[in-house]
Amino acid sequence: NAGVTQTPKFQVLKTGQSMTLQCAQDMNHNSMYWYRQDPGMGLRLIYYSASEGTTDKGEVPNGYNVSRLNKREFSLRLESAAPSQTSVYFCASNPTRGGNQPQHFGDGTRLSIL
Amino acid sequence: AQKITQTQPGMFVQEKEAVTLDCTYDTSDQSYGLFWYKQPSSGEMIFLIYQGSYDEQNATEGRYSLNFQKARKSANLVISASQLGDSAMYFCAMREMMDSSYKLIFGSGTRLLVRP
Repeated sequence: NAGVTQTPKFQVLKTGQSMTLQCAQDMNHNSMYWYRQDPGMGLRLIYYSASEGTTDKGEVPNGYNVSRLNKREFSLRLESAAPSQTSVYFCASNPTRGGNQPQHFGDGTRLSIL
Repeated sequence: AQKITQTQPGMFVQEKEAVTLDCTYDTSDQSYGLFWYKQPSSGEMIFLIYQGSYDEQNATEGRYSLNFQKARKSANLVISASQLGDSAMYFCAMREMMDSSYKLIFGSGTRLLVRP
């Protein structure tokens, strides 16, 4: 009963390095999301995928790319990491268009850019 | 634009007492939904409770209840009989519908500390 699994849990990068954060869900959910959480703030949406084969920008997409590899997996890529991207990243999913279904979150990836 | 405001950065409550965490929202939509999530120090986001704008009854889930006042645009979380394990960050979030999905707009959170 894994739910939403994110890897890695922690990562330290140097400015300019690239990295891909992985996310997989085993709940057969259609929609998947990437959020970031900065200190003292709530989560902000980076990108989302409403269904397999589609991706769209959220509130703070600059500096990121995503891939919906299949129904289960949704990855987030930082092509050239910057210190401003130091944050905790959460992947989430929900099953249907029904807005009363809560989003289920992974445990987060804590990313530091030096 | 939709907005969620949580005005209490931090709160204390004595164990076994009830506590109310405030949340106000701003939206021009007639149909909307409000969620509360708990984030313990370990960092995960745990769904607590949901209230739809057309729900006639205030939502309840065990010790959690939602004091929904539509005219005042508030959706306060009430935790009854606080336990030490309730110490955490609590986030109020509003659903914003998108094409075939929805995103969550989060408030800045309230840190709750339960005193023994």
